Amino acid sequence: GAVVSQHPSWVICKSGTSVKIECRSLDFQATTMFWYRQFPKQSLMLMATSNEGSKATYEQGVEKDKFLINHASLTLSTLTVTSAHPEDSSFYICSATYNYEQYFGPGTRLTVT
Amino acid sequence: SQQGEEDPQALSIQEGENATMNCSYKTSINNLQWYRQNSGRGLVHLILIRSNEREKHSGRLRVTLDTSKKSSSLLITASRAADTASYFCATVGTSYGKLTFGQGTILTVHP
Repeated sequence: GAVVSQHPSWVICKSGTSVKIECRSLDFQATTMFWYRQFPKQSLMLMATSNEGSKATYEQGVEKDKFLINHASLTLSTLTVTSAHPEDSSFYICSATYNYEQYFGPGTRLTVT
Repeated sequence: SQQGEEDPQALSIQEGENATMNCSYKTSINNLQWYRQNSGRGLVHLILIRSNEREKHSGRLRVTLDTSKKSSSLLITASRAADTASYFCATVGTSYGKLTFGQGTILTVHP
């Protein structure tokens, strides 16, 4: 149990376009999900906390208008990278809390050309 | 912002040897967790130790926590080539569920 999926697993897009990444809890309901980004050979940086039915809470320095988060149901949160630029290229990982533990998705590799 | 630091940043050992990684953090915690990440993949939860615990074991893993020094260590005994991965500590403070990750240790186990 406690499986989290992400879709797509990798995506290449052109500069200026928007990309949506989905995070799903497959066998449990998650009122809270988290979005992280990870640059090569670096650690995970928390971007925002996604709350079902309410606005996301963004970490300091994260542009909320650029990284749109929607937690529309208890099993789905989406992260939309708007007007993507090459510097947004990164590994994006989501997690969901179940029984006080966080379970991570497999990540989405975003490359902006 | 990152909670703390891990050392070493990289560790290279031979199969069968033990691997020890250390993690330091800065603020009070509810618990500390260790994760493993294979290259380009998601994170796998290894072990959780609560702030009132000092040591915990799980298979070949041993974790210690010293809240007075704000530090933790992860020991992997009898390492295997399959243990090659990045290992991260992460702390949970007062904000429910919010994890703050350390910088990570890249472990390479040579067969």
